[in-house]
Amino acid sequence: AQKVTQAQTEISVVEKEDVTLDCVYETRDTTYYLFWYKQPPSGELVFLIRRNSFDEQNEISGRYSWNFQKSTSSFNFTITASQVVDSAVYFCALSLGSGSRLTFGEGTQLTVNP
Amino acid sequence: GAGVSQSPSNKVTEKGKDVELRCDPISGHTALYWYRQSLGQGLEFLIYFQGNSAPDKSGLPSDRFSAERTGGSVSTLTIQRTQQEDSAVYLCASSLKAASTYFGPGTRLTVL
Repeated sequence: AQKVTQAQTEISVVEKEDVTLDCVYETRDTTYYLFWYKQPPSGELVFLIRRNSFDEQNEISGRYSWNFQKSTSSFNFTITASQVVDSAVYFCALSLGSGSRLTFGEGTQLTVNP
Repeated sequence: GAGVSQSPSNKVTEKGKDVELRCDPISGHTALYWYRQSLGQGLEFLIYFQGNSAPDKSGLPSDRFSAERTGGSVSTLTIQRTQQEDSAVYLCASSLKAASTYFGPGTRLTVL
């Protein structure tokens, strides 16, 4: 069975601070996909990134970056110079193989204060 | 292009009534998923359709829940004899096989 753990339930930062959201996953499969989603107060889940298990390159997209480390089964997400609009619940998720179901972590509520 | 759409956006019903929730996936997406998000329960998988294959119903919580997907596109999730514990946001998602999964805005179901 798969499991995704987001140990940080809530994080509060002040605008312009950097913040890292942790994600640890468990699976016995060698082929899997990892995702991050953002859920703002409006409620819609917004896709942020998808990585496959064979690609450990870190990725940067604007103020967002992701650190994938298979050795520690982690897929952490960093927001640089946080903004109030980054306030949301962030979910890490895992799926196996081709388009199978997503197993979600419990989510991390990020609050960025002005 | 258009994203995943769901209707209604909100549904209030009385305990014991049946409800139908609709999902229109992104055009061309072969995979369609239903998830449920309850307060304090996180995101829970319900059912998965992939092309013409038999759906994966392993996440449906009881036999009061069923779903169908007509013509490989639109899907309807039906909950019979609704109970208060069915109150949640029901999320639909779609994807191309082995590609990223995109979610709709959800239907907020309240069972009184």
